Amino acid sequence: QVQLQQWGAGLLKPSETLSLTCGVHGGSFSGYYWNWVRQTPGKGPEWIGDVNHSGGNNYNPSLKSRVTISIDTSKKQFSLTLRSVTAADTAVYYCARGYYGSGTRIKVYYLDYWGLGTLVTVSS
Amino acid sequence: DIQMTQSPSSLSASVGDRVTITCQASQDINDYLNWYQQKPGKAPKLLIYGASSLETGVPSRFEGSGSGTDFTFTIISLQPDDFATYYCQQYETFPLTFGGGTNVEMK
Repeated sequence: QVQLQQWGAGLLKPSETLSLTCGVHGGSFSGYYWNWVRQTPGKGPEWIGDVNHSGGNNYNPSLKSRVTISIDTSKKQFSLTLRSVTAADTAVYYCARGYYGSGTRIKVYYLDYWGLGTLVTVSS
Repeated sequence: DIQMTQSPSSLSASVGDRVTITCQASQDINDYLNWYQQKPGKAPKLLIYGASSLETGVPSRFEGSGSGTDFTFTIISLQPDDFATYYCQQYETFPLTFGGGTNVEMK
């Protein structure tokens, strides 16, 4: 059974750097895309970005200038760094496993395993 | 970015009811659409991928359909465990984007 365990600081001041890490337990680590998603109360989730086992990334353009998602395959962990946070970055942050598959006229990309979420509050 | 618009934003229903939620994409996304269920304080749970494929272990009372810009999610016979918020999500183009959600409440 795949489990994602996430951790990191939950209270930040404006202009500080958000750092979260997600550890993967069970299942294969390679062959998947490892994602970060955030959500504010009453709103739909917002995709932050992903990283594959080779270190390649896709980022949400709205956050790209402040975000880095990195991977440590030896530890089966991946991390989120979000610089210069403001109150608008207050949210629950989730890590999630992404499965990508493609074939003739077929493509899938879904988030099938998620961490429990970390509430990050930015306040002076 | 591709905008995903869900309707209704909330609905009230009873156990046994048929529930239908729609999701409209701002541009053609083929059938590159997923549906998730989320309960308060929990992470989203994948129900359907590729617009109509049921994730392993998900009950068959959940159905998805559609292609292009218009999609439908149906709960054939609502069960007590199904009261939750449901989200659509497109993966035709990065960034992945989610709909605003539909809260299914008990009538």
